[in-house]
Amino acid sequence: SQTIHQWPATLVQPVGSPLSLECTVEGTSNPNLYWYRQAAGRGLQLLFYSVGIGQISSEVPQNLSASRPQDRQFILSSKKLLLSDSGFYLCAWSWSGPYEQYFGPGTRLTVT
Amino acid sequence: AQKVTQAQTEISVVEKEDVTLDCVYETRDTTYYLFWYKQPPSGELVFLIRRNSFDEQNEISGRYSWNFQKSTSSFNFTITASQVVDSAVYFCALSEVSQGAQKLVFGQGTRLTINP
Repeated sequence: SQTIHQWPATLVQPVGSPLSLECTVEGTSNPNLYWYRQAAGRGLQLLFYSVGIGQISSEVPQNLSASRPQDRQFILSSKKLLLSDSGFYLCAWSWSGPYEQYFGPGTRLTVT
Repeated sequence: AQKVTQAQTEISVVEKEDVTLDCVYETRDTTYYLFWYKQPPSGELVFLIRRNSFDEQNEISGRYSWNFQKSTSSFNFTITASQVVDSAVYFCALSEVSQGAQKLVFGQGTRLTINP
């Protein structure tokens, strides 16, 4: 069976500090990978998605970047965090095609 | 552009009542997929159902049922005999295929509270 991991679970970072959130998937090959952010208002905003190693598509221009150094690893980064980067970050995976996405447990980021 | 509207921001009912969560979508695609997810207090989104645009049959899974009507662009979710464990935020989502990936467009969610 497939599992998806995210870490850390919670993170408190000062403004201007760097960020690295990691997501890994087990039990499948060549998954589509996604990063979402959920602000306090509950809605989910798609940030990045990837259909393969080194392939990243950005949805919203912002202070963040993503990378996929390995088939089942997806990393969300920032060089300098802003207060507005606070939120709940969710990673998801899916098979290629019109299939549902499966979400990880999320990382709660607070920028102070 | 794809759009999903969940007009009910919050719903509160007493346990054992039936409750329906509304979802209305907009799309120009002829083939598309609709989804429902549950987000309990722990935060992780749990997949509930996927429905394609060619299948308008209603779906029932235990106490959960879904009503898909293309004529009104709606995909509503009903919980029968609600339980406290059903308390969560529920999201409806619509697929959008782009560059080989299926993106999901989410509604804003409906916070459901089941009171004992």
